[in-house]
Amino acid sequence: EAQVTQNPRYLITVTGKKLTVTCSQNMNHEYMSWYRQDPGLGLRQIYYSMNVEVTDKGDVPEGYKVSRKEKRNFPLILESPSPNQTSLYFCASSTNSQGAPGEQYFGPGTRLTVT
Amino acid sequence: EDQVTQSPEALRLQEGESSSLNCSYTVSGLRGLFWYRQDPGKGPEFLFTLYSAGEEKEKERLKATLTKKESFLHITAPKPEDSATYLCAVQALNKFYFGSGTKLNVKP
Repeated sequence: EAQVTQNPRYLITVTGKKLTVTCSQNMNHEYMSWYRQDPGLGLRQIYYSMNVEVTDKGDVPEGYKVSRKEKRNFPLILESPSPNQTSLYFCASSTNSQGAPGEQYFGPGTRLTVT
Repeated sequence: EDQVTQSPEALRLQEGESSSLNCSYTVSGLRGLFWYRQDPGKGPEFLFTLYSAGEEKEKERLKATLTKKESFLHITAPKPEDSATYLCAVQALNKFYFGSGTKLNVKP
């Protein structure tokens, strides 16, 4: 089954404790991206990757890091989480037909709470 | 500044009562406009892509249209299972900008 998986699905942590949210897709997609979803603000793009070893900032990259060492995986790293990073996070992937991404397939989400 | 605005924020319809959702945008270099459906506790699910003004796409009771400044998602004779949040997104180069969504509730 074609899918995007995220782990963990739920996470409660404390300020300053480094954490990683994993994302994996089995569709051989070149493009992967991370979003956060907050009430009233919609989905905002954090980082995206056009392909292996190619990453770039989205609209709200501050406080986050990413890496793309393999095509299927795109982990999101919070090196020193703060309460304002409490949110619902989604990973997504897409093909890069004609050199640009298109419709995205989303994971089930990770609900992060930072106290 | 690239921006996407959806209206209304929430919409309650009776089963069979047709209506439209709006997505207006300001973006430099629009590559595509996307509609997604999001059910509670789940990730968004792709519905349509529109690339140029005048384009229309249909799927069951849904029809999406695009002009130079906005897109509409028309829902014809909705059913309770159409209840969800509908998200609009625009693509500028390789980035995506989402609206905050319209929460649709269809009562039987």
